[in-house]
Amino acid sequence: AQSVTQPDIHITVSEGASLELRCNYSYGATPYLFWYVQSPGQGLQLLLKYLSGDTLVQGIKGFEAEFKRSQSSFNLRKPSVHWSDAAEYFCAVMDTGRRALTFGSGTRLQVQP
Amino acid sequence: EPEVTQTPSHQVTQMGQEVILRCVPISNHLYFYWYRQILGQKVEFLVSFYNNEISEKSEIFDDQFSVERPDGSNFTLKIRSTKLEDSAMYFCAKRTGSRELFFGEGSRLTVL
Repeated sequence: AQSVTQPDIHITVSEGASLELRCNYSYGATPYLFWYVQSPGQGLQLLLKYLSGDTLVQGIKGFEAEFKRSQSSFNLRKPSVHWSDAAEYFCAVMDTGRRALTFGSGTRLQVQP
Repeated sequence: EPEVTQTPSHQVTQMGQEVILRCVPISNHLYFYWYRQILGQKVEFLVSFYNNEISEKSEIFDDQFSVERPDGSNFTLKIRSTKLEDSAMYFCAKRTGSRELFFGEGSRLTVL
């Protein structure tokens, strides 16, 4: 069965600093990969997705992610974090045979002024 | 305009009561989902619904749960006899052709 691991439960960065959130997946083939963001009390908003093709994908709010097949990873990055980026970030995988997403446990991002 | 609208935003109920959570996809899609998130935990898949039938369900989705699309527009999740552990945020989602899932704002269920 597919699974998603987000090793960092909680990350704190300073505003303006760069950010990388880690995501590793377990799946036999190349899955579809997603990053979602959840602000407190809100729903899940899609940041970006990887379906195929270019392994570096751009998303909304200045985020990008890189799919590395050899490492089974799909890490999320942002060059300069803004205070409004404070939220919970979820990596998710959809295997090509299913139609449902499997989510990681999430990484809570705090941004210090 | 939200892609998916969920009602109620918050419901408090007594243990053993039936609860119906509703989801209105704004546009026509074939794939719908229910997920739940217990406070502080990960988002868990409950059930997917395709072409008016259950396509897939998780082990969480037992006989206490059911889904319907009663009028071709609303998409409902019913919990027949709520338990304390059903307290969670429930998210409805719809899927686009590009495999993106758009989630609603969620319905918070509190079981006392």
